[in-house]
Amino acid sequence: QVQLQESGPGLVKPSGTLSLSCAVSGGSISSSHWWSWIRQPPGKGLEWIGEVYQSGITNYKASLESRVTVSVDKSKSQFSLRLSSVTAADTAVYYCARSLVRGGYFDSWGQGTLVTVSS
Amino acid sequence: EIVLTQSPGTLSLSPGERATLSCRASQSVSSSWLAWYQQKPGQAPRLLIYAASSRATGIPDRFSGSGSGTDFTLTISRLEPEDFAVYYCQHYDISPPLFTFGPGTKVDIK
Repeated sequence: QVQLQESGPGLVKPSGTLSLSCAVSGGSISSSHWWSWIRQPPGKGLEWIGEVYQSGITNYKASLESRVTVSVDKSKSQFSLRLSSVTAADTAVYYCARSLVRGGYFDSWGQGTLVTVSS
Repeated sequence: EIVLTQSPGTLSLSPGERATLSCRASQSVSSSWLAWYQQKPGQAPRLLIYAASSRATGIPDRFSGSGSGTDFTLTISRLEPEDFAVYYCQHYDISPPLFTFGPGTKVDIK
């Protein structure tokens, strides 16, 4: 059973860059899946940020696209998120998750990591 | 962009009762791309239903999904204590690729 584990700084300064990684274990990052980042501000709902395929192809939510980069490192079996020019509105629990190609749903999730944007 | 609306915002029920949760899309969508998740405090969401009515692996059969077009329903036939949680519906748009979530329905103990 695949397991996903987020890692990265829990505190980022305003105007800085948020960087997170998601380690994939128990399954291949080169399988027929897309790898996504999803976030959830405290007490609020879920927002999809973007996804990457094993080949490096990416898709992003349009409203975040100018600030987001999602990448994959198959040699390390991990994928990553970079979100630039962060503000307090980017404070959230960030989840990594997996979706099947042409599945349209997330069948595996990481436990989530809280990132706070504050000086 | 499809907007999902969930109702009610909060559903207060007792264990053993039936829960009926609604998800409405702003325009007609394919049921192939409608999923439901359960989220408990401090935990990641868990996939319950995909393609509107298919139960995910390991999900008890008291959970069922139905619907088409703009109206979808998640039904919990008899609430167990562990079912009190927040439930989200989610839609996938294939072109351009975009996942959207509803605002959630909280099922709490009456």
